[in-house]
Amino acid sequence: NAGVTQTPKFQVLKTGQSMTLQCAQDMNHNSMYWYRQDPGMGLRLIYYSASEGTTDKGEVPNGYNVSRLNKREFSLRLESAAPSQTSVYFCASSAQLAGGTYEQYFGPGTRLTVT
Amino acid sequence: DQQVKQNSPSLSVQEGRISILNCDYTNSMFDYFLWYKKYPAEGPTFLISISSIKDKNEDGRFTVFLNKSAKHLSLHIVPSQPGDSAVYFCAASVRSSNTGKLIFGQGTTLQVKP
Repeated sequence: NAGVTQTPKFQVLKTGQSMTLQCAQDMNHNSMYWYRQDPGMGLRLIYYSASEGTTDKGEVPNGYNVSRLNKREFSLRLESAAPSQTSVYFCASSAQLAGGTYEQYFGPGTRLTVT
Repeated sequence: DQQVKQNSPSLSVQEGRISILNCDYTNSMFDYFLWYKKYPAEGPTFLISISSIKDKNEDGRFTVFLNKSAKHLSLHIVPSQPGDSAVYFCAASVRSSNTGKLIFGQGTTLQVKP
């Protein structure tokens, strides 16, 4: 049981280049999320998908797009990378528990540097 | 505006003593709170949670306290162990949103010295 997997683990981009971060989960979870972690800022939600076929903006969506390809996969695309997008990106998934609560499971992260 | 705040970036305690990590929130709609632990080069992992209908939840060495009137929660670790050294994030959610969205604090780095 792999849980949440992310590829790549590391990436260096030049300003203006594009790339897609891949995320997959094998826990049959309905909801998936993309976060970025920056020093002193904690984890900030970029986009989320509450269920297959839906996506919504989080706190910091500018400069990103997402695709919920199927129930397992949720990708994050940077169309034109900027140095401000240098960060560690985490994907997470969750299922609804008893009482309407959720518990998110995180992938290992992708460390992205934009020069 | 930061809806969930962890005002202490770091905390250092001796092994065997109590660690107390604090978290404040501003949104009165939050009704479910969680703590996550993160080691370097790994993703965060769930530690403990509390619903707004409770004021305390305990799991082994970890206890979370919630003071709704003060919009404050804290995580107590007793006794602290060197393996507890990590970054701790508190998070909050609104259960009725049915999205599972979490709003995280900035994190507190805990160092437990042997």
